[in-house]
Amino acid sequence: DIQMTQSLASLSASLEEIVTITCQASQDIGNWLAWYQQKPGKSPQLLIHSATSLADGIPSRFSGSRSGTQYSLKISRLQVEDTGIYYCLQRYSNPYTFGAGTKLELK
Amino acid sequence: EVQLVESGGGLVQPGRSMKLSCAASGFTFSNYGMAWVRQAPTKGLEWVATISYDGSSTYYRDSVKGRFTISRDNAKSTLYLQMNSLRSEDTATYYCTREDWFAYWGQGTLVTVSS
Repeated sequence: DIQMTQSLASLSASLEEIVTITCQASQDIGNWLAWYQQKPGKSPQLLIHSATSLADGIPSRFSGSRSGTQYSLKISRLQVEDTGIYYCLQRYSNPYTFGAGTKLELK
Repeated sequence: EVQLVESGGGLVQPGRSMKLSCAASGFTFSNYGMAWVRQAPTKGLEWVATISYDGSSTYYRDSVKGRFTISRDNAKSTLYLQMNSLRSEDTATYYCTREDWFAYWGQGTLVTVSS
């Protein structure tokens, strides 16, 4: 199975700060990567698909990038509503696998 | 507006069965693969199973293979998950999601496996 490693379990940042969350794939998955945000008691929401494509309705302060097998989600100016848990997902091959999640809080 | 509404969760004893349903609306259900994703209490997300748009292909994670069956009724725009021989480790909120990048999710239904 492909392992997706989110090295940071939690992250604290200030309003308007630039935040980067990373995810490392255990093998090449090309651009078959997505990012999700989940708020307490809510369903996950797709932010980025195909590693770099912004999902419909998602603010442009979110962006995705790839360097080899390392993937990054960047929030350019952190807002209050951006707190939550962020998960990466690989859908290159079955079983699809999620990262363990990175909890983003406001400082 | 795309809507996915799960139902059928609840408390069930270990070893028993339960069937989840997911009613879809707002899109042409028969054009899309569908999937189930679960989340144990306070834990992360875990893909469970996927079914192709026409039901001809299904995929499962190893831990549920042989116990769970994903199916669909395109005439009713409904996705199902039949869960047999349930174990305590199957306790989770089960979400149905559209397979194209899991762009749409239901609200989830909680399955608790306990005696």
